[in-house]
Amino acid sequence: GDSVTQMEGPVTLSEEAFLTINCTYTATGYPSLFWYVQYPGEGLQLLLKATKADDKGSNKGFEATYRKETTSFHLEKGSVQVSDSAVYFCALLPNSGYALNFGKGTSLLVTP
Amino acid sequence: GAGVSQSPSNKVTEKGKDVELRCDPISGHTALYWYRQSLGQGLEFLIYFQGNSAPDKSGLPSDRFSAERTGGSVSTLTIQRTQQEDSAVYLCASSLTSGGWETQYFGPGTRLLVL
Repeated sequence: GDSVTQMEGPVTLSEEAFLTINCTYTATGYPSLFWYVQYPGEGLQLLLKATKADDKGSNKGFEATYRKETTSFHLEKGSVQVSDSAVYFCALLPNSGYALNFGKGTSLLVTP
Repeated sequence: GAGVSQSPSNKVTEKGKDVELRCDPISGHTALYWYRQSLGQGLEFLIYFQGNSAPDKSGLPSDRFSAERTGGSVSTLTIQRTQQEDSAVYLCASSLTSGGWETQYFGPGTRLLVL
């Protein structure tokens, strides 16, 4: 079945460091891919998405590119801020389905 | 506009009691989803409603769980005879339609604690 694998956390970075959170997936066909973020005490928010191969999703300085050949959707940001501290979830939506399939989440802590 | 709202935000109950969790989707959204977020299982799909079609209940963990959606809008998730393993955050989401390109917008969740 479909699945999403994320790098284990927690990830601790200093402010202005470069961030990469790895995400790989297993799915049939061409799923849509998402990154959701959960800030402390808040609900899940969509961060970015990509619906087809080679699409790049971007938002708030974060980027992720849908790589069909490596079945990956890694999240990157060039310079993290303390306010980016949150849990990040990679998710896929099957081409013919409607239930999001989430990774286990990666906790990010950015220190001043 | 208003996002997805859920109530209550927190619920503490005793083992064996029934609980009802409510979700108000974004106005005009035809698709509604329930997910559960727990420490051991991560985020898992529970049930899906699309318009007036029969819901997909394939993710419900047991027959103690049920859900309904009245008038194509508000949804209630009911857990009967709660068990300690039901303790989790229950998330509701809605989307304009159920296409693969559609974004699901999540509510803040209901944190359920079963003592």
